[in-house]
Amino acid sequence: DAGVIQSPRHEVTEMGQEVTLRCKPISGHDYLFWYRQTMMRGLELLIYFNNNVPIDDSGMPEDRFSAKMPNASFSTLKIQPSEPRDSAVYFCASSSGTHRGAFFGQGTRLTVV
Amino acid sequence: AQSVSQHNHHVILSEAASLELGCNYSYGGTVNLFWYVQYPGQHLQLLLKYFSGDPLVKGIKGFEAEFIKSKFSFNLRKPSVQWSDTAEYFCAVDFTGGGNKLTFGTGTQLKVEL
Repeated sequence: DAGVIQSPRHEVTEMGQEVTLRCKPISGHDYLFWYRQTMMRGLELLIYFNNNVPIDDSGMPEDRFSAKMPNASFSTLKIQPSEPRDSAVYFCASSSGTHRGAFFGQGTRLTVV
Repeated sequence: AQSVSQHNHHVILSEAASLELGCNYSYGGTVNLFWYVQYPGQHLQLLLKYFSGDPLVKGIKGFEAEFIKSKFSFNLRKPSVQWSDTAEYFCAVDFTGGGNKLTFGTGTQLKVEL
């Protein structure tokens, strides 16, 4: 299995632009998570899905952030408009059932200038 | 509020030294506990996990952790570290019982010197 695949690995964009991060979870996993990692706040859970349905989006910082999971093999995290304070590494993770822990992707390093 | 604390932010050890990284959480209910490792430039990898049963959990690469319920702790240990253990270590707790929604500590940066 190729693991959790995220794209792009690096993204540099200008403030105000729309940014879309992509994630392909491990095949067969029914949970998908989006995390953000910064020096100041560490790893924060933004949102997670179960069977493609958003379960908890309480970690999404504001309305500029949105996430979708149109099918079991694909999810996007969109920031519109982006701001410099959104600069971080965004991780996608997936897991199967309960009590398994999550498998993380390589992350997308986002820089908003 | 439920939280996870890792009090050691940076640890420097010599090879063959013993390691113990602290992790405490604030919650009186049932929890599921994890340790993850992040090598430089890489993604997080699961080291070990605890859900129930024997509170002493063994993971990969010689790591182990002990769940002490009375102390709300889940400390990570390794008897003899290697240079290749240089990485950032994250404690994570699931407060929901399902084992999926993880709250992470701030991480401990471990540097092992030759």
